[in-house]
Amino acid sequence: SQQGEEDPQALSIQEGENATMNCSYKTSINNLQWYRQNSGRGLVHLILIRSNEREKHSGRLRVTLDTSKKSSSLLITASRAADTASYFCATVNSGYSTLTFGKGTMLLVSP
Amino acid sequence: DTEVTQTPKHLVMGMTNKKSLKCEQHMGHRAMYWYKQKAKKPPELMFVYSYEKLSINESVPSRFSPECPNSSLLNLHLHALQPEDSALYLCASSLAHFSSYEQYFGPGTRLTVT
Repeated sequence: SQQGEEDPQALSIQEGENATMNCSYKTSINNLQWYRQNSGRGLVHLILIRSNEREKHSGRLRVTLDTSKKSSSLLITASRAADTASYFCATVNSGYSTLTFGKGTMLLVSP
Repeated sequence: DTEVTQTPKHLVMGMTNKKSLKCEQHMGHRAMYWYKQKAKKPPELMFVYSYEKLSINESVPSRFSPECPNSSLLNLHLHALQPEDSALYLCASSLAHFSSYEQYFGPGTRLTVT
């Protein structure tokens, strides 16, 4: 069963703007990961945040995790057309080492 | 080499055919995965191999038969599929089947069952 629910389902912005995607989940987790998928292709791992971390940065990406609210957000700063893709959060439950993906956010960045 | 390769890229098969999907990685990863992804949906886990042994089968129908001949290769044998099995089949690998490891995905095989 799906664990994460992304919000919004679709997001359309201009190049240079920031994009924020949110993910909510239902059960306790070991960690939460974000992946990007370009149209009809494989997924690329972006960032992993552990349950005892609150914020993590990687280049133009910033991820936050609030375990009390069971939610995470992914911020992409200064978006580029090449950031156009679907973004999925994936949770790893405590005691179960597999990824459960959310429904994803489709991001469109227009030049 | 941080690449997972999958062949073929596209496959069209009839419901009576037998075909196989192949996946290969040379990163020394000891966990490999098969996922199924329908259009505009997230990937769904099918199988997990850990150290060449099947460790998780997510109640997948027997018309899908996985095989791990060695630590670098993963196959998915297909037989008597249904049109609703048409999807993107993704292979992934990770250093080990532990929660803290990221997964590396191949580009997928686009399967159409006619």
